[in-house]
Amino acid sequence: DIVMTQSPSSLAVSAGDKVTMSCKSSQSLLSSEYQGNYLSWFQQKPGQSPKLLISLASTRETGVPDRFIGSGSGTDFTLTISSVQAEDLAVYYCEQYYSYPLTFGSGTKLEIK
Amino acid sequence: EVQLQESGPGLVKPSQSLSLTCSVTGYSITSNYWGWIRKFPGNKMEWMGYISYSGSTSYNPSLKSRISITRDTSKNQFFLQLNSVTTEDTATYYCARSLTIFDYWGQGVMVTVSS
Repeated sequence: DIVMTQSPSSLAVSAGDKVTMSCKSSQSLLSSEYQGNYLSWFQQKPGQSPKLLISLASTRETGVPDRFIGSGSGTDFTLTISSVQAEDLAVYYCEQYYSYPLTFGSGTKLEIK
Repeated sequence: EVQLQESGPGLVKPSQSLSLTCSVTGYSITSNYWGWIRKFPGNKMEWMGYISYSGSTSYNPSLKSRISITRDTSKNQFFLQLNSVTTEDTATYYCARSLTIFDYWGQGVMVTVSS
């Protein structure tokens, strides 16, 4: 199984701050056939189900604010929130879909000071 | 709009079977793939398996032979059965659409395994 490691496990920031969180995979998620990295980012707010933010490592879903930026390739990926808003309070997960079984990171909990 | 809704008992006794239903509206389950994912206390997420548009299935090997995913196309529902549950199966269970990219999720149902 591909192991997904997220860091930090939690962070507390002020509204307006730039936030960066990391996701590392135990093997490359880059598909040479389709030239894409098979990684998604999800946001789970308290009491809600996960929401897909980004797929293919950097493609934002329709309606996702452009302050959410996914980057990286191979085994190292980053989710950046360029200017955190109070509504961004949530746990953020990465997930690999390069191979089965699909696996998730343990999450980064974002708290707003 | 695609909507998914989980239903089932919130409490299951150890060694018994856990059975959940996912009701889908706004999209036919005879298209695409439909999966189950669970979130344990402490935030760990686990993909459990899927059923495809044709009825084929794939399961997480960690669940070995305990899991079964079936469907009723006439009701546009699919089902999860997990046998021989233990307290370690206590989690919030979600159903979701898609083979790999989970774009639509249900609201989740919390299941506690306890005597």
